[in-house]
Amino acid sequence: AQSVSQHNHHVILSEAASLELGCNYSYGGTVNLFWYVQYPGQHLQLLLKYFSGDPLVKGIKGFEAEFIKSKFSFNLRKPSVQWSDTAEYFCAVKIYNQGGKLIFGQGTELSVKP
Amino acid sequence: SQTIHQWPATLVQPVGSPLSLECTVEGTSNPNLYWYRQAAGRGLQLLFYSVGIGQISSEVPQNLSASRPQDRQFILSSKKLLLSDSGFYLCAWSSRQVYNSPLHFGNGTRLTVT
Repeated sequence: AQSVSQHNHHVILSEAASLELGCNYSYGGTVNLFWYVQYPGQHLQLLLKYFSGDPLVKGIKGFEAEFIKSKFSFNLRKPSVQWSDTAEYFCAVKIYNQGGKLIFGQGTELSVKP
Repeated sequence: SQTIHQWPATLVQPVGSPLSLECTVEGTSNPNLYWYRQAAGRGLQLLFYSVGIGQISSEVPQNLSASRPQDRQFILSSKKLLLSDSGFYLCAWSSRQVYNSPLHFGNGTRLTVT
């Protein structure tokens, strides 16, 4: 069965530190990749997405992610985090020959200390 | 513009009682529809998805069922709730007309089974 794995359950950083959240998926076919963010008390929002082309994609609020097909990875990065980045981050994979269903990782909680 | 409505926002039900959560989408036609359950530390678990009226795919064996009586209506049900059904339930839609459409989430329903 397909799965998405996020390596870090809880990450604590100080402001201005660099961020990298790991995401790996298990599926050999064509996939689309997403990162969603959920700020405290808010609903899920799309942060960025990869469909094709340049494997380095840029999203909102200075986030970017790199798709490495050979490693089945789609890690999220930000050079300098802010306190307002405190949230839970979800990696997701869309499987195209299965009704477009989206499979999520278990999430990574990011806490940024001011 | 498209909107997704999910209700109720919170629900407290006794064990053994029935459940019906409703989700409707406006501003689009023939969407893919999804029910997810979000649990702390476990990410978003896909419960059901639907690519059309009356077409439901179940992802995990459980005490719940889903129905799609109309194009833009998706209902999550149970005949008899279990304590383990407590959780945060999210409805989502994606476009079948827009290639690589991301998922758009509702605000969720917090279900507590007592």
